[in-house]
Amino acid sequence: EAGVAQSPRYKIIEKRQSVAFWCNPISGHATLYWYQQILGQGPKLLIQFQNNGVVDDSQLPKDRFSAERLKGVDSTLKIQPAKLEDSAVYLCASSLERAYTDTQYFGPGTRLTVL
Amino acid sequence: ILNVEQSPQSLHVQEGDSTNFTCSFPSSNFYALHWYRWETAKSPEALFVMTLNGDEKKKGRISATLNTKEGYSYLYIKGSQPEDSATYLCALITASKLTFGTGTRLQVTL
Repeated sequence: EAGVAQSPRYKIIEKRQSVAFWCNPISGHATLYWYQQILGQGPKLLIQFQNNGVVDDSQLPKDRFSAERLKGVDSTLKIQPAKLEDSAVYLCASSLERAYTDTQYFGPGTRLTVL
Repeated sequence: ILNVEQSPQSLHVQEGDSTNFTCSFPSSNFYALHWYRWETAKSPEALFVMTLNGDEKKKGRISATLNTKEGYSYLYIKGSQPEDSATYLCALITASKLTFGTGTRLQVTL
């Protein structure tokens, strides 16, 4: 079974530039998550999709971050414009459904450095 | 903001040592607790899903317990091996939201 794919793996940009990350979840998984993991902290949920609908985006900085999951499969997360404090690892995960016992399967992450 | 705390922050043990870490959280209103292992340059990998019935979970040399009344979970590793070196994260599920702790970084040396 193919895992969660993410690209790019690494990205370096200057502040005020834009950046986009892509995620392809495990086939058949209805729920997709984007997390931000800043060095020294645990991953923080940014947005959760159920199929192509948003379930929770309460911690997404909507003035600069946006995400979409067209057709309920792939997803993109965009930052525009980036700030220094956005430097982090961005993790995508998927699960079969939303049940609290569902295991989340993570991709390898995208490490973003904002200079 | 839900406070999920893990201790210690980091741990250095010798091969063959047994070790354990703690995940502490507010003891009410949660549905489940997850443990993940995150090796450097790899994806976080699910270890256990602990539900409120409190059963001990075991996978090889690794096991976990959950005390719902006092709000903590222990992860045990018996006979640590270098390949156990990783960051171990716990995450609490409340109202279908998953809140991670900051992790325990384990390093096992020969």
